[in-house]
Amino acid sequence: DTGVSQDPRHKITKRGQNVTFRCDPISEHNRLYWYRQTLGQGPEFLTYFQNEAQLEKSRLLSDRFSAERPKGSFSTLEIQRTEQGDSAMYLCASSLDPTADTQYFGPGTRLTVL
Amino acid sequence: QQQVKQSPQSLIVQKGGISIINCAYENTAFDYFPWYQQFPGKGPALLIAIRPDVSEKKEGRFTISFNKSAKQFSLHIMDSQPGDSATYFCAAPSNTGNQFYFGTGTSLTVIP
Repeated sequence: DTGVSQDPRHKITKRGQNVTFRCDPISEHNRLYWYRQTLGQGPEFLTYFQNEAQLEKSRLLSDRFSAERPKGSFSTLEIQRTEQGDSAMYLCASSLDPTADTQYFGPGTRLTVL
Repeated sequence: QQQVKQSPQSLIVQKGGISIINCAYENTAFDYFPWYQQFPGKGPALLIAIRPDVSEKKEGRFTISFNKSAKQFSLHIMDSQPGDSATYFCAAPSNTGNQFYFGTGTSLTVIP
């Protein structure tokens, strides 16, 4: 399967712990996005990479959140000192240039903070 | 910040009927408007998208109608099937084009 993959699919953690999620985009896609989706809502943008450069971040991305895409391929999203309000589905998407083109989403990582 | 207003919040349709979901956006510098379909526990999957150099795009049973002057677009699902039961999201690009703003979703139930 050559779609966007995410790992893990589910993560349960205790408040205050750190968690890291991984996203592998479609191989030829140079753009990678992270979104967060809470129950009953549409995805909300967190951050965007073009190759290895992080070019845009949402105000939703607090200091406890950090994302990397070190070699312009896979990406990681880390949440430090998790809070119950961080419980959500974290979605990764990728796309080719040009700007505002089709974004293909992965299956998501469901985070539950106890 | 772009706001995307989607309606209705939920929709129940008989098998074979027409499902219509509406979206309105504010401003954008880019012309690309997708609809996504999402099943429980899955990520959103692109269903159909339009670049409004045309006012309508049809793919199989799915049609997008676009009204650029009104900043509105809609999804029509013809001959709705129980397998279409899912949540549908419209999206509009941001002014940078680097992200999409999503509607709040429409939960569609197609009754056999």
